[in-house]
Amino acid sequence: DAGVIQSPRHEVTEMGQEVTLRCKPISGHDYLFWYRQTMMRGLELLIYFNNNVPIDDSGMPEDRFSAKMPNASFSTLKIQPSEPRDSAVYFCASSLAGVYYGYTFGSGTRLTVV
Amino acid sequence: DAKTTQPTSMDCAEGRAANLPCNHSTISGNEYVYWYRQIHSQGPQYIIHGLKNNETNEMASLIITEDRKSSTLILPHATLRDTAVYYCIVRGQGGSEKLVFGKGTKLTVNP
Repeated sequence: DAGVIQSPRHEVTEMGQEVTLRCKPISGHDYLFWYRQTMMRGLELLIYFNNNVPIDDSGMPEDRFSAKMPNASFSTLKIQPSEPRDSAVYFCASSLAGVYYGYTFGSGTRLTVV
Repeated sequence: DAKTTQPTSMDCAEGRAANLPCNHSTISGNEYVYWYRQIHSQGPQYIIHGLKNNETNEMASLIITEDRKSSTLILPHATLRDTAVYYCIVRGQGGSEKLVFGKGTKLTVNP
């Protein structure tokens, strides 16, 4: 299994532009999570899905952020418009249901908004 | 989620055992203890988890005290590649699936 695949690995964009981050979870996993990591705030959970349905988006910072999971093998996190304070590493993770399983994280997307 | 307390940083000599403590004094009876680590610039990696019995896998051992208020992650023979931030997280069974990460312990393995 190739693991959780995120793209792009690096993204540099100008303030005000739309940014779309992509994630392909491990096949068969029921849950998908989006995290953001900064030096100041550490790892923050933004949103998670169960069987493609958003369950908890309380971590999404504001309306500029949106996430979708149109099918079991693909999810996107969109920021529109982007701001410099959105600069961070964004991680996607997936897991099977239940406490007996750990999460598998992707390699992350490093976003820089200038 | 129950809160955990970990030292900010620790050092260990290469080849020696690394013992990383975690305090979770408010843990509930149905909550598990999970350990993850994050090597620089990579995504977090699952290590091990347990409820009340000690657990061992190919990466590490997890020792949970009888009252379950604290635990220790043991890396039996630390290598330079074990240098990472180690996170101790508590999560309940039958509740939210989400993991909430704290600040973790930065372990530095020295040659």
